Amino acid sequence: GNSVTQMEGPVTLSEEAFLTINCTYTATGYPSLFWYVQYPGEGLQLLLKATKADDKGSNKGFEATYRKETTSFHLEKGSVQVSDSAVYFCALSWITGGGNKLTFGTGTQLKVEL
Amino acid sequence: GAGVSQSPSNKVTEKGKDVELRCDPISGHTALYWYRQSLGQGLEFLIYFQGNSAPDKSGLPSDRFSAERTGGSVSTLTIQRTQQEDSAVYLCASSLAAGVGQPQHFGDGTRLSIL
Repeated sequence: GNSVTQMEGPVTLSEEAFLTINCTYTATGYPSLFWYVQYPGEGLQLLLKATKADDKGSNKGFEATYRKETTSFHLEKGSVQVSDSAVYFCALSWITGGGNKLTFGTGTQLKVEL
Repeated sequence: GAGVSQSPSNKVTEKGKDVELRCDPISGHTALYWYRQSLGQGLEFLIYFQGNSAPDKSGLPSDRFSAERTGGSVSTLTIQRTQQEDSAVYLCASSLAAGVGQPQHFGDGTRLSIL
């Protein structure tokens, strides 16, 4: 079946450091890929998405590129801020009888310190 | 505009009791999903609605769990004879349709604690 594997956290960085959170997936066909973010005390929010190979999703300085050859969708940001501290979830969806249901990774907690 | 609304935000109940969790999706969204977020299992899909019908109930963990959706809008997730392993945050999401790449918009969840 479909699955998502992402790096375990917590990841602790200093402000303005470069961020990479690795995400790889296993799926048949061509899933859509997403990054969702959960800030402390808040619900899940869509951060960015990509729907086909070589697409790059971007939002709020974050980027991720859909790499079919490596089945990866790594999240990157050039300069993190304290306000980026949150839990980040990589997810995929695949059109089936179950609509567009999401399969999530386990989440990676990011802590950014001054 | 209004997002996905879930109620109650917190629910504490005794083992063996029944609970109802409510989800009010974004107006006009035809697709509605329930997920569960727990420490041991992460985020898991429970059930999907398209309109009032549920083509996929494959994620419901047991027959104690059921859900319905009326008027193509509000959905209720019911857990009968609750057990301690049911303790989790129950999340509802909706999307405009169930097409490729359609983003799902999540509510803040209901935190369920079974004593």
